[in-house]
Amino acid sequence: DAKTTQPNSMESNEEEPVHLPCNHSTISGTDYIHWYRQLPSQGPEYVIHGLTSNVNNRMASLAIAEDRKSSTLILHRATLRDAAVYYCILRDRTYSGGGADGLTFGKGTHLIIQP
Amino acid sequence: DAGVIQSPRHEVTEMGQEVTLRCKPISGHNSLFWYRQTMMRGLELLIYFNNNVPIDDSGMPEDRFSAKMPNASFSTLKIQPSEPRDSAVYFCASGRLAGEADTQYFGPGTRLTVL
Repeated sequence: DAKTTQPNSMESNEEEPVHLPCNHSTISGTDYIHWYRQLPSQGPEYVIHGLTSNVNNRMASLAIAEDRKSSTLILHRATLRDAAVYYCILRDRTYSGGGADGLTFGKGTHLIIQP
Repeated sequence: DAGVIQSPRHEVTEMGQEVTLRCKPISGHNSLFWYRQTMMRGLELLIYFNNNVPIDDSGMPEDRFSAKMPNASFSTLKIQPSEPRDSAVYFCASGRLAGEADTQYFGPGTRLTVL
């Protein structure tokens, strides 16, 4: 599987935008970029995913570089509830089997939000 | 929807005892995953099922671990005999491959302590 590289930790202030980077220089043409986050004492939760175009949903935005070798998760206005570990994960959509396959988690970025 | 349900939420047992963790996936999902999280190794995929059939159990640490999915609404992860190094948080997740979405929904986890 193609690997991702994220900073170990980042710090931001409440109500300010946060840009979480992810490098994936060996990404293949069939890899989707997924982001999950894990709040303290909870299971991971899906945030957003994309392939080539930038994506927006109610939680965040995903900006994907033109060469797809990096991406940035954008939290437009961080709150204390956004303090979590954020994982950038590549998913190859060419597998077969009539179902899904597992996620490979790296160490992620520990996001600290200051009030 | 109640989400993915795991039981028990906490389990404390003594070395050598059998431990059974339970998971009820979200109705309509055809994939089920078991993950383990420790400080040292992070989040690791143990095994996953598609349509109740085990697809990949290469993440199961050793023969002491076994998992079953007798029907679409129930799965168990069993450790027999348990050892202190099995202490971790065990997450169950379910998903449904819908085009590119492939989102996984995680349960709250079972925190296992083996004394």
